[in-house]
Amino acid sequence: SQQGEEDPQALSIQEGENATMNCSYKTSINNLQWYRQNSGRGLVHLILIRSNEREKHSGRLRVTLDTSKKSSSLLITASRAADTASYFCATDPTGANSKLTFGKGITLSVRP
Amino acid sequence: EAGVAQSPRYKIIEKRQSVAFWCNPISGHATLYWYQQILGQGPKLLIQFQNNGVVDDSQLPKDRFSAERLKGVDSTLKIQPAKLEDSAVYLCASRRLVGGEVDTQYFGPGTRLTVL
Repeated sequence: SQQGEEDPQALSIQEGENATMNCSYKTSINNLQWYRQNSGRGLVHLILIRSNEREKHSGRLRVTLDTSKKSSSLLITASRAADTASYFCATDPTGANSKLTFGKGITLSVRP
Repeated sequence: EAGVAQSPRYKIIEKRQSVAFWCNPISGHATLYWYQQILGQGPKLLIQFQNNGVVDDSQLPKDRFSAERLKGVDSTLKIQPAKLEDSAVYLCASRRLVGGEVDTQYFGPGTRLTVL
């Protein structure tokens, strides 16, 4: 079963705009991770946020985590055409052996 | 640092045939995963190894799928016999640590399997 549920399923924006993607999950987590997947390629790890963290930054990426609402958001600022990809959130349950459960993903299209 | 290597990148077979995929994880990574990713969905864990032992294979269809990780390094995933619904991308990932410590999984490029 897929725990993470991303929202929206698809997002189309203009280059330079910000993109916000959301993820909700059901059970307790140790950490939550965001991955990017370009068409026909493997997944690339973007950022990991632990359950005791509320916000994390990495370059143009900003991730927030609200464990009370069981939700996370990924913000990509000043988007570029190269950001066009599918984005997945993956949850790592508390006490588990780093067993990730992925959502169905969000397809982001950035128009030049 | 070299990434996770997988081969072949693409495979087309007919149903009821057998197929095998190979994965070479990042050097020194103790934990290895195989995921199945059906088109339009997120990856689903099939099996997890720590060194050469199986940690979790609860979602592996054991009547047709098998996997091994000899000597705790390379791994192979086999499907015998294949069904149409096995068409998917098979992703291998590795992680340096074992246990519940927070760590990152690194993914290979995947093998795209088409079953006709």
